[in-house]
Amino acid sequence: SQTIHQWPATLVQPVGSPLSLECTVEGTSNPNLYWYRQAAGRGLQLLFYSVGIGQISSEVPQNLSASRPQDRQFILSSKKLLLSDSGFYLCAWSLTPYQAFFGQGTRLTVV
Amino acid sequence: QKEVEQDPGPLSVPEGAIVSLNCTYSNSAFQYFMWYRQYSRKGPELLMYTYSSGNKEDGRFTAQVDKSSKYISLFIRDSQPSDSATYLCAMSAEAGTYKYIFGTGTRLKVLA
Repeated sequence: SQTIHQWPATLVQPVGSPLSLECTVEGTSNPNLYWYRQAAGRGLQLLFYSVGIGQISSEVPQNLSASRPQDRQFILSSKKLLLSDSGFYLCAWSLTPYQAFFGQGTRLTVV
Repeated sequence: QKEVEQDPGPLSVPEGAIVSLNCTYSNSAFQYFMWYRQYSRKGPELLMYTYSSGNKEDGRFTAQVDKSSKYISLFIRDSQPSDSATYLCAMSAEAGTYKYIFGTGTRLKVLA
């Protein structure tokens, strides 16, 4: 069966520090991969999606970047965090247009 | 205008009530319409999806899509306290890279 791992679950980082969130998927090949951010009252905002290794599409101009070094690995990064980067970050994968599977999320607080 | 609009609630109902959750959208290219349920501090999970217009029923849950009005609904019958969660609508186009666009979510609380 397919599983998605996302870590860490909680992270507190100072302003100006770097960020690296990792997501891995097991049990499937060549999935579409996604990073979403969820802020209170704003729903899930699509940040990046990837259809294959090295192929990244950015949805929102921001302080973040994403990379897909392996088929089932998706990384969200920042060189210098801002206060506005705080939020709940969710990784997801899909193979169909009607179902995405989400990880358990990382709650990031920038202080 | 946002692509998908959803009333954020919160919505409080007594146990056993019928709940109606709704979303509107502006992109006529959307073909798949989904409802996700999200418990606090967890990732969303798919409840059900509908392709194009029509109704779909799964137990106590019924999803309706009216593409002419760009309006979708989720009905929950005989609501239970365990239904208390945030419900998010999501949509995607048929072709392309399966970009899922979500509403803001509606917080539902079912009171025992």
